[in-house]
Amino acid sequence: AQSVTQPDIHITVSEGASLELRCNYSYGATPYLFWYVQSPGQGLQLLLKYFSGDTLVQGIKGFEAEFKRSQSSFNLRKPSVHWSDAAEYFCAVGPMEYGNKLVFGAGTILRVKS
Amino acid sequence: GAGVSQSPRYKVAKRGQDVALRCDPISGHVSLFWYQQALGQGPEFLTYFQNEAQLDKSGLPSDRFFAERPEGSVSTLKIQRTQQEDSAVYLCASSLNSGPGSNEQFFGPGTRLTVL
Repeated sequence: AQSVTQPDIHITVSEGASLELRCNYSYGATPYLFWYVQSPGQGLQLLLKYFSGDTLVQGIKGFEAEFKRSQSSFNLRKPSVHWSDAAEYFCAVGPMEYGNKLVFGAGTILRVKS
Repeated sequence: GAGVSQSPRYKVAKRGQDVALRCDPISGHVSLFWYQQALGQGPEFLTYFQNEAQLDKSGLPSDRFFAERPEGSVSTLKIQRTQQEDSAVYLCASSLNSGPGSNEQFFGPGTRLTVL
């Protein structure tokens, strides 16, 4: 069965510090991979996605993620965190075939301290 | 243009009541998805429409849950005889077409349902 694991429920980083959020997936084929961000009371916003090609993908708001097939990972990174990045982050996996429903991880809550 | 909108934003129901949650997708989007997000969890897939056709309802937790999209645009998720375990945020998402995988899903703000 498809599954996504985000091992860290909460992460706290200082403003200006670097960030890495972990994501591991279990999937029977080559998946499509996504990172979404959710602020309180807001819907999910897509940060970036990986379908094929270059395994390092760039997204919005200065985020990037690297797909590592051998580790079944798709970790999200940002070199310098801003206070406005405080939110909950979800990793998701979707199939290549028809009907691209997404399977989400449980999320990681990011807190930024000044 | 406007994004995905959902109404109501908040709904409180007494156990046993029926509720109806509305989703207005982005105009012209073919695909529409409903997800359920319990407190402290990620969203979980409920059902999927391509235009008016409900092509996947494998995630609906019971026969008390029913979704429709009769004209291929607005969708309604109905929950009959609500139970406390139905308390969650219900998210709607739409995407432009039904091609495999590559289409971004745009999410609405969700409806927070609380069953007392």
